[in-house]
Amino acid sequence: DAKTTQPTSMDCAEGRAANLPCNHSTISGNEYVYWYRQIHSQGPQYIIHGLKNNETNEMASLIITEDRKSSTLILPHATLRDTAVYYCIVRASFGNEKLTFGTGTRLTIIP
Amino acid sequence: DAGVIQSPRHEVTEMGQEVTLRCKPISGHNSLFWYRQTMMRGLELLIYFNNNVPIDDSGMPEDRFSAKMPNASFSTLKIQPSEPRDSAVYFCASSFPLPGPGELFFGEGSRLTVL
Repeated sequence: DAKTTQPTSMDCAEGRAANLPCNHSTISGNEYVYWYRQIHSQGPQYIIHGLKNNETNEMASLIITEDRKSSTLILPHATLRDTAVYYCIVRASFGNEKLTFGTGTRLTIIP
Repeated sequence: DAGVIQSPRHEVTEMGQEVTLRCKPISGHNSLFWYRQTMMRGLELLIYFNNNVPIDDSGMPEDRFSAKMPNASFSTLKIQPSEPRDSAVYFCASSFPLPGPGELFFGEGSRLTVL
């Protein structure tokens, strides 16, 4: 029962903005959207999360649609080190604390 | 400030042997998670603890797997006896106290190969 849908793979040119989409049409009111990434052979790394407002930090921006049924992770100036698998996850803010990973999007940054 | 520390980083063993994986969470975190990653099944949550108490072990494959958290700074995942299908990368993660949104901090993983 996947809660999110992401494209299997994407390419992006180095220096350009990488926009990674995620559909979560069944998200409920108390569920946050989280983004993690996993660089080859490393543990997953937290990127950003949000509830309904757009969020920005030093790594990325998260744009959540008004109906909260989809979101986009934006890496503003992609570098080769951003090549990784990116996971979009929805998770309740309390109670069930599990973070369940899907298959993610394999992002390849092209030099 | 050290992150989540896992040991060993690599383990090669023979079928039937006991395997113990260890994890030291980040100080101050009270939630600890064990994940397993394989090519076929991706990242699977095995078990998680809150305040050293197992909350959900529904992801533990079978009785051969057991996990303990004797104190806030240490956890083990044991496989006895090990089988070739247990070969995977095992990740430990910890997080700040919940409820409320919390990010997970992952260790570098323990790569297990069972021959």
